[in-house]
Amino acid sequence: GQQVMQIPQYQHVQEGEDFTTYCNSSTTLSNIQWYKQRPGGHPVFLIQLVKSGEVKKQKRLTFQFGEAKKNSSLHITATQTTDVGTYFCAGPRSNYQLIWGAGTKLIIKP
Amino acid sequence: KAGVTQTPRYLIKTRGQQVTLSCSPISGHRSVSWYQQTPGQGLQFLFEYFSETQRNKGNFPGRFSGRQFSNSRSEMNVSTLELGDSALYLCASSDSKMDRTRELFFGEGSRLTVL
Repeated sequence: GQQVMQIPQYQHVQEGEDFTTYCNSSTTLSNIQWYKQRPGGHPVFLIQLVKSGEVKKQKRLTFQFGEAKKNSSLHITATQTTDVGTYFCAGPRSNYQLIWGAGTKLIIKP
Repeated sequence: KAGVTQTPRYLIKTRGQQVTLSCSPISGHRSVSWYQQTPGQGLQFLFEYFSETQRNKGNFPGRFSGRQFSNSRSEMNVSTLELGDSALYLCASSDSKMDRTRELFFGEGSRLTVL
């Protein structure tokens, strides 16, 4: 069935280093959404990408949607402690239900 | 606009009992989805309601059920609780239309512990 794979599962970085998480879908997606969940919190919507090859930036965060609309990435430049959390991608099935990646947990090394 | 409200926030039950969780979506949102999240796990989709009808359903046993009322508020029920049902149950609302998916707005969740 339709799947969204997200890697890596965890990423440990020193504060100030960059972070990237990748999502790959088994099928073409009409759009992809990204969410962030802080420790002890709930997922919060970050962005939705719709167009093939789309690149969007939010301050230090850069989101990309692949040309084939089957993969996406989130890159954070110069991580800060406020970036800690789990980042999820999600894409819609044909019936509008979202399929979620397993998430990438960003851990800042002390 | 008020956000998504879930009650109760925390609850403890024993095996075999049942539980009902409530979710009030953002005003005007007609779609309500429910997710189960266990420690270290992703978001497991339970079901989605749209205008009082179950529009999508995940792969959970029949012990998990839900409903949506005319005011879009939703409840989910878990009967015959098992230890493995201990989890954070998240509700999310959206102003989903029939032609595209919209972003989800999550509540803070109901944390269920089954002893």
